[in-house]
Amino acid sequence: GQNIDQPTEMTATEGAIVQINCTYQTSGFNGLFWYQQHAGEAPTFLSYNVLDGLEEKGRFSSFLSRSKGYSYLLLKELQMKDSASYLCAAMDSNYQLIWGAGTKLIIKP
Amino acid sequence: SAVISQKPSRDICQRGTSLTIQCQVDSQVTMMFWYRQQPGQSLTLIATANQGSEATYESGFVIDKFPISRPNLTFSTLTVSNMSPEDSSIYLCSAQSGTGDTGELFFGEGSRLTVL
Repeated sequence: GQNIDQPTEMTATEGAIVQINCTYQTSGFNGLFWYQQHAGEAPTFLSYNVLDGLEEKGRFSSFLSRSKGYSYLLLKELQMKDSASYLCAAMDSNYQLIWGAGTKLIIKP
Repeated sequence: SAVISQKPSRDICQRGTSLTIQCQVDSQVTMMFWYRQQPGQSLTLIATANQGSEATYESGFVIDKFPISRPNLTFSTLTVSNMSPEDSSIYLCSAQSGTGDTGELFFGEGSRLTVL
């Protein structure tokens, strides 16, 4: 079957760095997406990886290892506004998105 | 990018009634989708809204329960029919921009339905 695993909840301190991991199993693979979702709001796109390696975008970076079925989202210089759920989604061979349940990130002062 | 407007943003409905959610995109998009999200849970794809033809439903979702229309490239509706408390959820419209199958997905703000 197809599935996505990511931690349910993580806590980090303002100004610190946090890494949110995601492992996936899909029928074929056409890329890995990360979305941010604040409580009560729509998910917003953060990143897309289809090749192995690290993609950096400001304070956020996303890493992919296709051979390991593994990705992580790295958030640096954490701010209180980064408190949100982070959704990992893998696209299978039919271009269908398989969504993880999301990781709730709590930032403490 | 695409901006997606959804309405209603929330509603409280009586058991057995039906409600139609509207989704308007500010630009022409190739793909439109309808998702359901229970609190604290993953996004579940209901169906792909096809322009000018019947929607493509995922396993566990049927047209009689969730009829979908997409009369043009910028507008779609989802009806939740004969509602029961189990249908209480957030319903999200999304659209995929770009010409490829891996274009970025944009989401509407969601419609939070509570069925009594």
